[in-house]
Amino acid sequence: GIQVEQSPPDLILQEGANSTLRCNFSDSVNNLQWFHQNPWGQLINLFYIPSGTKQNGRLSATTVATERYSLLYISSSQTTDSGVYFCAVGDSGGATNKLIFGTGTLLAVQP
Amino acid sequence: NAGVTQTPKFQVLKTGQSMTLQCAQDMNHEYMSWYRQDPGMGLRLIHYSVGAGITDQGEVPNGYNVSRSTTEDFPLRLLSAAPSQTSVYFCASMDPLGTSGRSDEQYFGPGTRLTVT
Repeated sequence: GIQVEQSPPDLILQEGANSTLRCNFSDSVNNLQWFHQNPWGQLINLFYIPSGTKQNGRLSATTVATERYSLLYISSSQTTDSGVYFCAVGDSGGATNKLIFGTGTLLAVQP
Repeated sequence: NAGVTQTPKFQVLKTGQSMTLQCAQDMNHEYMSWYRQDPGMGLRLIHYSVGAGITDQGEVPNGYNVSRSTTEDFPLRLLSAAPSQTSVYFCASMDPLGTSGRSDEQYFGPGTRLTVT
């Protein structure tokens, strides 16, 4: 099945710093989403981005489907950005709700 | 809209007991899924459904049953609980047809934390 790898596994930032999180996947996808899991465990949709670029405030994401990777950019980080960031993909041969998750990037933003 | 709701929030079972985790959504989404999350790991798909009466297995289906008799509800049944099923369980729903204007985004419930002793 499709493999999803995220890097880095952990990241510590000072408030105000910028960061880039990477997601590599091993095959064609019909779905790619970025999620933020906050310290209370809630999963929050950030982006649905199987290809192209999107921006939402201080966050933006780019997926280059032909090269099988996606990047999540966080600018001017805040302590509320702390948590785990997951990339999840859907194999192009399956239903779009069959998501395969990476193991996540644990982000800690220090004041 | 309440979105995706899950009950209970917490549950402790003894080995061999059975129970049902409830999941409901009020967004008229066709697709629903169950995932489990173990410490330090990403989510893994247990079972999923693409419409009422249609279910299929995900990555880790053993020990779990599902049914989808209505669009709104997608319960997950543990047949005979084992300590290996200690986990946090998430239910998700998705609108594949884009009728809400945002298709193929999965929305997750708050999770059920299950401990099997």
